[in-house]
Amino acid sequence: EPEVTQTPSHQVTQMGQEVILRCVPISNHLYFYWYRQILGQKVEFLVSFYNNEISEKSEIFDDQFSVERPDGSNFTLKIRSTKLEDSAMYFCASNLDRLNEKLFFGSGTQLSVL
Amino acid sequence: SQKIEQNSEALNIQEGKTATLTCNYTNYSPAYLQWYRQDPGRGPVFLLLIRENEKEKRKERLKVTFDTTLKQSLFHITASQPADSATYLCALDRDDKIIFGKGTRLHILP
Repeated sequence: EPEVTQTPSHQVTQMGQEVILRCVPISNHLYFYWYRQILGQKVEFLVSFYNNEISEKSEIFDDQFSVERPDGSNFTLKIRSTKLEDSAMYFCASNLDRLNEKLFFGSGTQLSVL
Repeated sequence: SQKIEQNSEALNIQEGKTATLTCNYTNYSPAYLQWYRQDPGRGPVFLLLIRENEKEKRKERLKVTFDTTLKQSLFHITASQPADSATYLCALDRDDKIIFGKGTRLHILP
């Protein structure tokens, strides 16, 4: 069964450094998302992306964050200057038919900012 | 602002019984509501979606109801098994984004 793939599974970085989290959505899907989950807390929406542009973003997704679909298969989340509070599990998701319905999630990247 | 409340942080159910999880929301009524399963260290897995004009949806041992008057969805697992132990998340749409509840950790006791 096709799945969303995320790399790396773990990323450790120093505060102030840039990180890029990578995702390969399911190949025929059209909508792409990033979510994050701080340990013990709820899954939080960051951004949705469709037709090569951001559809919606949350208050968390400030100027330090950006997303890109550099080619036909990858979808990346960049954090320009990481802060301690960016430490979380970051999930990529995708779906085919309609925005926000029946999302397929990857296994996540655990980001630790020291 | 829109809030989602899931009935309890943890629920223990004896194997073979029906587990019932509750999701309540405040303010406006969403066009649809979704349920996901999340295992530790993994991403959520979609289970069921129910629309505002549907009262009930079933999939194998799973059943979801949606009461827009009570602003509540119930999620049932019949004939529960230890493999059903996981966190179950309620999610609804709000302003073109999905909001998740904190989830209910379900433990099925053998």
